[in-house]
Amino acid sequence: EAQVTQNPRYLITVTGKKLTVTCSQNMNHEYMSWYRQDPGLGLRQIYYSMNVEVTDKGDVPEGYKVSRKEKRNFPLILESPSPNQTSLYFCASSFGTGVGQETQYFGPGTRLLVL
Amino acid sequence: QKEVEQNSGPLSVPEGAIASLNCTYSDRGSQSFFWYRQYSGKSPELIMSIYSNGDKEDGRFTAQLNKASQYVSLLIRDSQPSDSATYLCAVRREYGNKLVFGAGTILRVKS
Repeated sequence: EAQVTQNPRYLITVTGKKLTVTCSQNMNHEYMSWYRQDPGLGLRQIYYSMNVEVTDKGDVPEGYKVSRKEKRNFPLILESPSPNQTSLYFCASSFGTGVGQETQYFGPGTRLLVL
Repeated sequence: QKEVEQNSGPLSVPEGAIASLNCTYSDRGSQSFFWYRQYSGKSPELIMSIYSNGDKEDGRFTAQLNKASQYVSLLIRDSQPSDSATYLCAVRREYGNKLVFGAGTILRVKS
């Protein structure tokens, strides 16, 4: 089954404790992206990757890191989480960014609470 | 001003009616426009994409684009209770590879 998977689905942590949220897709997509969703603000892009070893900042990258060492995986790293990073996080992937390739397939989401 | 603006709603329509969802955007050079549906507690899923001015129909859904007015809309005909969800408008910026989402409009279809 074609899908984007994220782990963990739910996470409660404390301020400053490093964490990683994994994202994996099995569709051979080149483009992958991380979003956070907050009430009233919608989905905001954190980082995206056009291909292996190619990453770039989205609109809200502060406090986050990413890596793309393999095409299928795009982990999101919070080196020192803070309460303002409490949010619902979605990973998404698409074939590319050209017309007809842009459909984003979203993972199930990771709900993060930072105390 | 937000880059992509939507009325948060909720928009309530009776079953069988036409639901009209609207979105405006600020990047005049944007070329790609999308409507995603998100059920409560679920992830967004694409329902329509549109690239040219005018209407694009897919089943009960019609997307309308007017680049001169920087306006994109989604019409849902014969609305069903199963259409109750949050509808997200998304626009790809002219430069770069960033997709910008609006905050979404909550639609409630009452039977």
